[in-house]
Amino acid sequence: AQSVSQHNHHVILSEAASLELGCNYSYGGTVNLFWYVQYPGQHLQLLLKYFSGDPLVKGIKGFEAEFIKSKFSFNLRKPSVQWSDTAEYFCAVIGSYIPTFGRGTSLIVHP
Amino acid sequence: DVKVTQSSRYLVKRTGEKVFLECVQDMDHENMFWYRQDPGLGLRLIYFSYDVKMKEKGDIPEGYSVSREKKERFSLILESASTNQTSMYLCASSLRLQAIGEQYFGPGTRLTVT
Repeated sequence: AQSVSQHNHHVILSEAASLELGCNYSYGGTVNLFWYVQYPGQHLQLLLKYFSGDPLVKGIKGFEAEFIKSKFSFNLRKPSVQWSDTAEYFCAVIGSYIPTFGRGTSLIVHP
Repeated sequence: DVKVTQSSRYLVKRTGEKVFLECVQDMDHENMFWYRQDPGLGLRLIYFSYDVKMKEKGDIPEGYSVSREKKERFSLILESASTNQTSMYLCASSLRLQAIGEQYFGPGTRLTVT
C-alpha cells in the first residue's frame, strides 16, 4: 500500500519569505506525484504534477517542486511567498492508478 | 472549463437516515472519485470509478456505497448515516486512467449527521 507524509501541518510566514513544504511517499513502483492547493472558500485545484523526465517541475503562480527518487520526496517550493498564497496544500501520489493524498499543510502568509 | 457540481453545499441529516450525495461532471471524464475531508486527516478516498457501472473501494469504504449508472454522474450513498460520517465530502473527476491524478474537484458537500 502506498502512503504520503506531509511533515509540516501548519506553516506561518511573512510575505517575501521563501517556502518549502515537505512531502515524502512510500510505494514500491513507479509513481506520479502532484501538489494541490485549496484557497479559502475555493475548490481544490491542481498546482503542479510530475510524471517523468526533468525532476524539477514548475506549476502555476511561481511554485515548483523537485522529485528526488532516492529520498522518495517531492517537496514544494516558492522563492518568495505572497499573502495570496495563504491556503491549504496537499501532496498526492498515484501508484497503480490509486490516488493517495497527504494530510495537508496549512500555510498562512502575513502581509 | 471542466465543471464538477455537487447536489448540495450543506446537508443536515439524522442518525439512521439514508443519504444520497450526487455529483455530476460535464466533460466526459472516465474517472470519478468520492473523498471525505476532515481537519488534520486530509483527503481520504472512499470509492472511485473507472467507467460506467464500475466501482472500486478506496481507503475507507465502510458505511458507504456508490452508483454510477451514467458516465457523468457518480452518487455516494450513506446507507444508515452515523454521527462519525459528519464531514466534508468532495467529488472529483479525471479524464482518463493515464491522467488519473489530474483531478477536477467539486465545491464539496458539508454533511452534518445529528
